[in-house]
Amino acid sequence: GAGVSQSPSNKVTEKGKDVELRCDPISGHTALYWYRQRLGQGLEFLIYFQGNSAPDKSGLPSDRFSAERTGESVSTLTIQRTQQEDSAVYLCASSSGQGTEKLFFGSGTQLSVL
Amino acid sequence: AQTVTQSQPEMSVQEAETVTLSCTYDTSESDYYLFWYKQPPSRQMILVIRQEAYKQQNATENRFSVNFQKAAKSFSLKISDSQLGDAAMYFCAYRRYSGNTPLVFGKGTRLSVIA
Repeated sequence: GAGVSQSPSNKVTEKGKDVELRCDPISGHTALYWYRQRLGQGLEFLIYFQGNSAPDKSGLPSDRFSAERTGESVSTLTIQRTQQEDSAVYLCASSSGQGTEKLFFGSGTQLSVL
Repeated sequence: AQTVTQSQPEMSVQEAETVTLSCTYDTSESDYYLFWYKQPPSRQMILVIRQEAYKQQNATENRFSVNFQKAAKSFSLKISDSQLGDAAMYFCAYRRYSGNTPLVFGKGTRLSVIA
C-alpha cells in the first residue's frame, strides 16, 4: 500500500478482555516497530522486527503484551487481560531497514479500556 | 540508556513569526541521528528534519532548521514564518548510529499558532 495501515482506528474494550491490533507496513519494508503513546506523553518503544532476525522485545511492559510478524508483512500486537493503564494510542512504523532512513508511521490505534 | 528531554510542554507563536523548540539529550555515543517529528491531530507522525551527529552543518528543510550543539547535547528546532498548519505536537528523537535501533522520543512540545 501507499503507507502504513493500522486497524482498527479505535478500539474500546472491557478490562480483562484480550485485544489484537494490526499493522500493515509499506510493501518491501523489512523493519517494523510498535510504539505506545499515553495521553500527553511521548512515544514508548515496545517491540522491533527486522527481517528474519529475532525481534527486540525489550520494550514490552509485561508478559501480557506480545507481537508477531509473518515474514516481512503484517504484524499483530496482542494485549491479554487488558488493564485500564493499557489505554493509549498504539503506533506502528516501518522502514526499509537500511539503518539511516526515516520511519513511516501509521495513524495508530486508540485503545480505550473501560 | 539514552534519554531525550523537551523542557517546553507548550509553546505558542504568532502567524508569520519565528519560534524555537528546545531539545536536549543524553548519550555516551559519538555517532547518532537526531530527528524532529510533527504529530498533527490525525496522530500520524511526520518527519520534519534529521541531523547526523557527524555533520557539523545544521540541517535545513525549507522553513525548518536546527541548531545542533554536539558538545552541549542540544538540538533545537527553529520554525520560521510560522503557518497555521504548523500547529501540532513536536517530538525530538534520538537514534544510535549502528544497527536498526528504535528511536527514543522526548515527551513532546505542543505548538499553537495564533492567527
